[in-house]
Amino acid sequence: RKEVEQDPGPFNVPEGATVAFNCTYSNSASQSFFWYRQDCRKEPKLLMSVYSSGNEDGRFTAQLNRASQYISLLIRDSKLSDSATYLCVVNKDNFNKFYFGSGTKLNVKP
Amino acid sequence: GAVVSQHPSRVICKSGTSVKIECRSLDFQATTMFWYRQFPKQSLMLMATSNEGSKATYEQGVEKDKFLINHASLTLSTLTVTSAHPEDSSFYICSATDGSYEQYFGPGTRLTVT
Repeated sequence: RKEVEQDPGPFNVPEGATVAFNCTYSNSASQSFFWYRQDCRKEPKLLMSVYSSGNEDGRFTAQLNRASQYISLLIRDSKLSDSATYLCVVNKDNFNKFYFGSGTKLNVKP
Repeated sequence: GAVVSQHPSRVICKSGTSVKIECRSLDFQATTMFWYRQFPKQSLMLMATSNEGSKATYEQGVEKDKFLINHASLTLSTLTVTSAHPEDSSFYICSATDGSYEQYFGPGTRLTVT
């Protein structure tokens, strides 16, 4: 079983829509959770960390559910510039191992 | 923010030759560097974890004699793909951490083996 699983999408949404992605992880000992964004042929960039209490950064909200072992990312009021692949990343072993999901592709259309 | 560079950004080599990729942390000391490989439309796959001054830890299925990693200083790690074959063609990305939770990624190296 993969460490981290994501729906590959693509999610095709109109501008202004709200879209949500989920990601499940297999190891209950996982310690830290992140969402990264990767544009085509570019390196991943940190979007936000995910805390148990949930966290919000502008139009982006991340949630962690340890009991069900999943994390989520909600994007409100989608912009064309949000089009990218969103990678769920899970860490264990005190930051010595990061596991990436396969990514969820988002296409925001005018 | 912290900057990680990779060189070269793109390389084309013939089958059987070796290619060296450099990863540098430009404005911080990287306690740990990671090497990833990404095939088209797939996610990043961790190849190895590299700590300065010690041997790299390779993920299962990654041949350490084929992918040589040297982490000689706190700002430089190198990945050498030895005797490259067309199936080694991929996007190789390094990342570095200063001991905090965040990884800083290099811009990647696109390797094509003909």
